Amino acid sequence: DGGITQSPKYLFRKEGQNVTLSCEQNLNHDAMYWYRQDPGQGLRLIYYSQIVNDFQKGDIAEGYSVSREKKESFPLTVTSAQKNPTAFYLCASSIDSQYSNQPQHFGDGTRLSIL
Amino acid sequence: GNSVTQMEGPVTLSEEAFLTINCTYTATGYPSLFWYVQYPGEGLQLLLKATKADDKGSNKGFEATYRKETTSFHLEKGSVQVSDSAVYFCALRGSAGGTSYGKLTFGQGTILTVHP
Repeated sequence: DGGITQSPKYLFRKEGQNVTLSCEQNLNHDAMYWYRQDPGQGLRLIYYSQIVNDFQKGDIAEGYSVSREKKESFPLTVTSAQKNPTAFYLCASSIDSQYSNQPQHFGDGTRLSIL
Repeated sequence: GNSVTQMEGPVTLSEEAFLTINCTYTATGYPSLFWYVQYPGEGLQLLLKATKADDKGSNKGFEATYRKETTSFHLEKGSVQVSDSAVYFCALRGSAGGTSYGKLTFGQGTILTVHP
């Protein structure tokens, strides 16, 4: 079955440590996205990528970094510069961001907590 | 910029009750509108969508109509079930030519709890 796989499901970070969240899709989608979800709030866009080797900052990119070396993969690194990283992180993909009527498909998320 | 406002929750209903979750938006041009559902501990699933004015999206008994004149996309279901308990998100995707082109803007989510 095609879909988006995020790993791990739960992740713990120590102070001053970088961690990387994995996102893989086998839907052959061009565009991929990372969102952050906090309790009682909607999703906020961190980074997005429309094609391989290209990505743009979203609304809350500070303290995060991404890469897009392969079409299928869009890992997110939460750096030590992100002072409040505890949240639920969701990865999404869509066929082509040029067509606004195409929905985004989401993975099951990674919950990051600070030790 | 674009924005989405959902009715505040949580919403608590008895099984077989009628559900309405209000959603209004602000956007330039002609955005596409979506409702997503999130079950506990999971990601978001697309529930329904509408891409132009007066379109009605429907799925699993849920419906929403794209009303450009009132900039609304309210979610309705005639008879809810316990299994409908989840968080519901209204979202819009900017139309071509705008600064928010291609991005999803979400409302804050509405928690629905249905009791037997």
